[in-house]
Amino acid sequence: SQQGEEDPQALSIQEGENATMNCSYKTSINNLQWYRQNSGRGLVHLILIRSNEREKHSGRLRVTLDTSKKSSSLLITASRAADTASYFCATDRDNYGQNFVFGPGTRLSVLP
Amino acid sequence: DGGITQSPKYLFRKEGQNVTLSCEQNLNHDAMYWYRQDPGQGLRLIYYSQIVNDFQKGDIAEGYSVSREKKESFPLTVTSAQKNPTAFDLCASSWQGDTEAFFGQGTRLTVV
Repeated sequence: SQQGEEDPQALSIQEGENATMNCSYKTSINNLQWYRQNSGRGLVHLILIRSNEREKHSGRLRVTLDTSKKSSSLLITASRAADTASYFCATDRDNYGQNFVFGPGTRLSVLP
Repeated sequence: DGGITQSPKYLFRKEGQNVTLSCEQNLNHDAMYWYRQDPGQGLRLIYYSQIVNDFQKGDIAEGYSVSREKKESFPLTVTSAQKNPTAFDLCASSWQGDTEAFFGQGTRLTVV
């Protein structure tokens, strides 16, 4: 089945620095989504990017999608301690977009 | 407030006992999902439902059962056949299978 694989598994940066996380997937997709999860909580949707889009922005977040390389990246600029969380990419499972497949996530730690 | 509500937040199950986790949404979403998250891992799909009175097994359905009698409710029953000692179960809903998902806060289930 299709699956996003985030890279790196863990990332530690200083407050104010930029954080970049990558996601690779195996087969063609209709869309790719990024979610954030604070420890012990549910996931929060960040951005959805469709296969015909190359870049989307939302506040300090920038997501790119390269369908030729089957990869996406999430950039968080000017990071804050509150950005500390796990970040997951999710791809639609099949041609009918019936549900999502999540990768194992990147654990981001932003140090004050 | 619109949202998705899971209960309880913590649940202890004795071996051989069946328990039911509640998931309610007032977002008027058609699709609802149950995921399990094991420590340090991504989410794996247990069951999903695209419409009332219809649901499909996900990747790890063994030991679980669901029902979808009402649009707003998608309860998950964990049976004695489910051997995982601990789990963090997450319910989600979305308009369709390829749109952003809204997650509940999760239920941490422990076998005692």
